[in-house]
Amino acid sequence: DAGITQSPRHKVTETGTPVTLRCHQTENHRYMYWYRQDPGHGLRLIHYSYGVKDTDKGEVSDGYSVSRSKTEDFLLTLESATSSQTSVYFCAISESLASNEQFFGPGTRLTVL
Amino acid sequence: GIQVEQSPPDLILQEGANSTLRCNFSDSVNNLQWFHQNPWGQLINLFYIPSGTKQNGRLSATTVATERYSLLYISSSQTTDSGVYFCAVEANSGYALNFGKGTSLLVTP
Repeated sequence: DAGITQSPRHKVTETGTPVTLRCHQTENHRYMYWYRQDPGHGLRLIHYSYGVKDTDKGEVSDGYSVSRSKTEDFLLTLESATSSQTSVYFCAISESLASNEQFFGPGTRLTVL
Repeated sequence: GIQVEQSPPDLILQEGANSTLRCNFSDSVNNLQWFHQNPWGQLINLFYIPSGTKQNGRLSATTVATERYSLLYISSSQTTDSGVYFCAVEANSGYALNFGKGTSLLVTP
């Protein structure tokens, strides 16, 4: 199994508070992704990174920011959490675009009250 | 964006039965993956199969890229096969995997 961990695994927070989710990989893969999974929508891309300090927006990026200061860590921040951001968040990694097989972490369940 | 449709949406099988899951996509793709999401929520890679046929134990997959579909075959199903099976594709123009809505499979003893 790919070495991907996510922390925390579960979090309950209140509307308006900042939240940071962490993805850590031990595979030295260049590409990292954040997705959210919601009922009826499958998984949708929030942001992705194609290298240290190189990030770009995905389909559902509003209300989220990301940072990648080291190859192994990709952080997702909700600056001011809203109830619509209650979801399960998955991190994924891939080694190259030529063969962009993505491997997923265990997920973080976030509830915003 | 690229559309991904999976069928059937739900499937109930008795242990030992065989099944075929289908994934149709609307445009050319660089990448196609099949995943199994188990009852604990973990996404498990089954196949990376942008074209051709692969087999892994009781599972096999075929992608016909020119006709824009992929099939996942499950033979001699077991209760541990229960969960949701997702097809995900990467369009030629992007990085993201675009997921279908999944096929929810329940295998009964």
